[in-house]
Amino acid sequence: RKEVEQDPGPFNVPEGATVAFNCTYSNSASQSFFWYRQDCRKEPKLLMSVYSSGNEDGRFTAQLNRASQYISLLIRDSKLSDSATYLCVVGRGSTLGRLYFGRGTQLTVWP
Amino acid sequence: SAVISQKPSRDICQRGTSLTIQCQVDSQVTMMFWYRQQPGQSLTLIATANQGSEATYESGFVIDKFPISRPNLTFSTLTVSNMSPEDSSIYLCSVEDRAKPAPFGSGTRLTVV
Repeated sequence: RKEVEQDPGPFNVPEGATVAFNCTYSNSASQSFFWYRQDCRKEPKLLMSVYSSGNEDGRFTAQLNRASQYISLLIRDSKLSDSATYLCVVGRGSTLGRLYFGRGTQLTVWP
Repeated sequence: SAVISQKPSRDICQRGTSLTIQCQVDSQVTMMFWYRQQPGQSLTLIATANQGSEATYESGFVIDKFPISRPNLTFSTLTVSNMSPEDSSIYLCSVEDRAKPAPFGSGTRLTVV
């Protein structure tokens, strides 16, 4: 079983739509959780950390359910510039740089 | 946030040869990490490089194939040895940056022919 499993996608949505991505992780001892964004032919960049209480950053809302080992990302009012691959990422132990990456979910926002 | 520079940005190499990738950080960091992203796949951690000690490799990766150097707190190299077409990937360097998760270098796109 893979450490991090994500919706396969792709998601194709119109501008202004709300889209949700889901992710599950297998290691119940995981301590840190993130969403990264990767544009075509670019390196991944941190979008946001995910906390147990849930957290919001503008149009983006992340949720973590430790009991279900489930992570989600909600994007409201999608913009064309949101088109990218979204990677669900889980930390390995206490070292923040040692990360398990999901395969990513591709999002295309069309006008 | 740390700024990471990687060289080369891309290369095309003959099978059986080796390529050394350099990673330079603009600040001193304890840990540096090397990842691989194979075509159509997500990132996989190869190893953790600590200054002054041998790198720690993840399952499926060995030192003979991916030797790593970490001569100081701002620099590391990853060598891809005896390359085959299966080694064609993007190789990315990252660091642990003040209790935040890793920023990444822009990566090295390797094609083995």
